[in-house]
Amino acid sequence: QILLVQSGPELKKPGETVKISCKSSGYTFTNYGMNWVKQAPGKGLKWLGWINTCTGEPTYADDFKGRFVFSLEASASTASLQINDLKNEDTATYFCARPMIATRAFAFWGQGTLVTVSA
Amino acid sequence: DIVMTQAAFSNPVTLGTSASISCRSSKSLLHSDGITYLYWYLQKPGQSPQLLIFQMSNLASGVPDRFSSSGSGTDFTLRISRVEAEDVGVYYCAQNLALPWTFGGGTKLEIK
Repeated sequence: QILLVQSGPELKKPGETVKISCKSSGYTFTNYGMNWVKQAPGKGLKWLGWINTCTGEPTYADDFKGRFVFSLEASASTASLQINDLKNEDTATYFCARPMIATRAFAFWGQGTLVTVSA
Repeated sequence: DIVMTQAAFSNPVTLGTSASISCRSSKSLLHSDGITYLYWYLQKPGQSPQLLIFQMSNLASGVPDRFSSSGSGTDFTLRISRVEAEDVGVYYCAQNLALPWTFGGGTKLEIK
């Protein structure tokens, strides 16, 4: 059974840093890239980018270049998203999502991690 | 970026009848490999999104065959026959033709 289990909710102040983890199980971690998707409260889905779990190379959507960092701990089958210099508009639920083989579809999703940024 | 456009709400439907949800892309999603890189997701209240349809017309594993999808290169329709209470939520179309991957704003299925 393929599972993506994310870390718990976070409450941070503006300017702080948060790191969210996504632990995979049920498949070979390095065989599939990992995507990150943002959902602001009451809003739609926005793709942040993805990380190649074999090489560690990240690709960021333009709106998420600079303060957002994808990383891996491949030995633990874990992908992480770090957001530096948090801003109020970073308040959102962040999902990790794994594609289905040969389709680019996001077939497997984590449960989401709510990050709240408030002074 | 490819812009995906959806209505915010569906036409209200009665349980047991059919529903249609539309999506339009700003660029054709038909690739030279013959595949149309259009996807449909459903996000039920309080849950993560789940994949319904991949590559425009292929049903994802475990999805009831009450769901179907069709379209051209830029205009797409998700159809739900015999709507059930468990189908309520927000339906998102998405494109994976070109980076950045983009989603539509979502359509909330309205039940009468």
